[in-house]
Amino acid sequence: QEQLVESGGAVVQPGGSLRLSCVASGFSFASHGMHWVRQAPGKGLEWVALISYDVVTTLYADAVRGRFTISRDNSRSTVHLQMNNLRLDDTAVYYCARGITGYGYFDLWGQGAQVTVS
Amino acid sequence: VLTQSPDTLSLSPGESVTLSCRASRDVSIMLAWYQHKPGQRPRLLVSESTKRASGVPARFSGRGSGTDFTLAISGLQPEDSAVYYCQQRSNWPLTFGGGTKVEI
Repeated sequence: QEQLVESGGAVVQPGGSLRLSCVASGFSFASHGMHWVRQAPGKGLEWVALISYDVVTTLYADAVRGRFTISRDNSRSTVHLQMNNLRLDDTAVYYCARGITGYGYFDLWGQGAQVTVS
Repeated sequence: VLTQSPDTLSLSPGESVTLSCRASRDVSIMLAWYQHKPGQRPRLLVSESTKRASGVPARFSGRGSGTDFTLAISGLQPEDSAVYYCQQRSNWPLTFGGGTKVEI
């Protein structure tokens, strides 16, 4: 069964750091680009970052560029999101998601990790 | 920018509904629809404007190209209560619409 499981969510003070992880199983992880997408309380979905299957390409939303870093370890089927200098408006549920169709859509999602900056 | 309308719909089981998504510039057919229920992970329904994802019932159908897109749901069921988002892949960053909440 294809699955993504996030971990690492926590409560952190403004200016602090946090690292989210997402472990994949049931599919060929090394063949897929991976994303992080977030949803702030009462808001809609917001794309955060992408890493290509071969780590050559990383892309970020303007709101997080320079503060967040996406990485992956294909040997462990894991993708990470290192979040530094966290702000109040980074509070959200963070989902990892598998990319398809040139990384453009998200066809498999994790259950989400709650990050609260307070 | 993707603009969805209406913000909220209240419908009865068995009814049909059409959700709208308008793009601020031409995205060709590079648009997807997702269903998101409270406390659950989002679910891909349709990609490339019209292609239903695996396991999605035929009563969900997407249409459109350019700037105007629709998601039609026929024979609404209670489990269709959710927020529906459109999302474009034509330009980076990838963006979502604000969502339409459907209450059954």
